[in-house]
Amino acid sequence: AQSVAQPEDQVNVAEGNPLTVKCTYSVSGNPYLFWYVQYPNRGLQFLLKYITGDNLVKGSYGFEAEFNKSQTSFHLKKPSALVSDSALYFCAVREGGTGNQFYFGTGTSLTVIP
Amino acid sequence: DAGITQSPRHKVTETGTPVTLRCHQTENHRYMYWYRQDPGHGLRLIHYSYGVKDTDKGEVSDGYSVSRSKTEDFLLTLESATSSQTSVYFCAISDPGGAQYFGPGTRLLVL
Repeated sequence: AQSVAQPEDQVNVAEGNPLTVKCTYSVSGNPYLFWYVQYPNRGLQFLLKYITGDNLVKGSYGFEAEFNKSQTSFHLKKPSALVSDSALYFCAVREGGTGNQFYFGTGTSLTVIP
Repeated sequence: DAGITQSPRHKVTETGTPVTLRCHQTENHRYMYWYRQDPGHGLRLIHYSYGVKDTDKGEVSDGYSVSRSKTEDFLLTLESATSSQTSVYFCAISDPGGAQYFGPGTRLLVL
């Protein structure tokens, strides 16, 4: 069965420092992996995706994520955090090919401290 | 929000009443989804549609039904609302590249 785990409910980082939000996944076929961000009282916004190709994918707002097949991980990263990056982040997986359903993690709340 | 609207945005209803939430898209995408978001659970899929009149169940479909009579509209009905269905409901569409785009959400309170 497909599933996503975000092991940290809360991540705090100082402004200007690098940030990492962790995600591991389980899927039976090739994974399609996604990161979304949610600001208060808003819907989720697409950040980036991995379908195939380069293991390091770049997305919106300076975020990037690294796909690691052996560790079944897809961690979200940013070299220098901004206070405005404070939000709720969700990792999601879809089985590649014929998979129609997306599975979401429980979310990680990121706080960037000025 | 990528051409997706949801109505109503807020609703308060009483236990046992039927409730219908509407999702409308202007992107002409084939796939549409209904999720609920609850603290500690992330987003959970209720139902999804892969075309007009083509729908399937998600992981938390009990007590919910959906209909899609036009490409642009996807309706979610709570047949007899219960307090456990108090939640924030999100509609999403999926583009051909696989990414999902979400509407602004509907806050539903069942008293």
